Amino acid sequence: DIVMTQSPDSLAVSLGERATINCKSGQIYTSNIENYLAWYQHKPGQPPKLLISWASSRESGVPDRFSGNGSATDFTLTISSLQAEDVAVYYCQQYYSSPDTFGQGTKLEIK
Amino acid sequence: QVHLVQSGAEVKNPGSSVKVSCKASGGTFSRIAISWVRKAPGQGLEWLGAIIPVIGTPNYAQRFQDRLKITTDKSTSTYYMELSSLTSEDTAVYYCAKGAYLERSGYYNYFDSWGQGTLVTVSS
Repeated sequence: DIVMTQSPDSLAVSLGERATINCKSGQIYTSNIENYLAWYQHKPGQPPKLLISWASSRESGVPDRFSGNGSATDFTLTISSLQAEDVAVYYCQQYYSSPDTFGQGTKLEIK
Repeated sequence: QVHLVQSGAEVKNPGSSVKVSCKASGGTFSRIAISWVRKAPGQGLEWLGAIIPVIGTPNYAQRFQDRLKITTDKSTSTYYMELSSLTSEDTAVYYCAKGAYLERSGYYNYFDSWGQGTLVTVSS
C-alpha cells in the first residue's frame, strides 16, 4: 500500500494569513503517484468535501483561496488567506493505485 | 448531480454483522462507482472497498477481504456494505462516496459526492 504522510499534524494560523499543508507519498518500491492526488476538507458532523483533484484542479464552487501543487511524491495544499470557515481537518488521498490511501489528516485552527 | 442518502445509526454486539445502505439518485445507477470509506474516532479516513454496477465485481481492501461484502440492488438504486465479525475497532462513521467519472478516460477513485455518514457503534 502507498503510505501518505501529511505535515504538520496540526496548524494554527491567523485569520487572513496563509496556511500550507504538505503531503508526501511513499512505499517500498516506488513512491511516484504522478498527479493522482486529491485534497478533502472535513468538518465535524459533515461528510468530507472534495476540494482539489489531479493535485491542482480545484472543484467547481471551491473558493480560489484554495490551491494545490506538486507531483510525483510531494504535494501541498495552500489556503492563501485563512477564513473562519476554513477550520477543519484536511486530508490528502492518492488514487494512483489500489487501495486508495489517505494521509493521517491535518487539523487547521485559528490562531 | 448524484445525491447519496445512507441508512441510520446502528449499535452492534461484538462478533455480529452490520449492513449499511446508500441510496443514489440523480444519475445512471449502473454507471455510478461507489466506495465505502470510514472514519474511526481519533483515526483518519480509511477506504474499505468499491463497486461499479456495470462492471459487477467489487474491489476490497485486502485487510477487509475476509469480512466485507459490497452489493447493489438495481431495482432501488441502492448500494450496500456489510461488515462481519465486528470488534470495537470497527466503531466508526461509515460513508458511501461516489467515484469520479471522466468521459474521455473513465473512472477514478477520488470522491466528488458523499453520503451523510452512518455511525456504527460496536459495544457489548
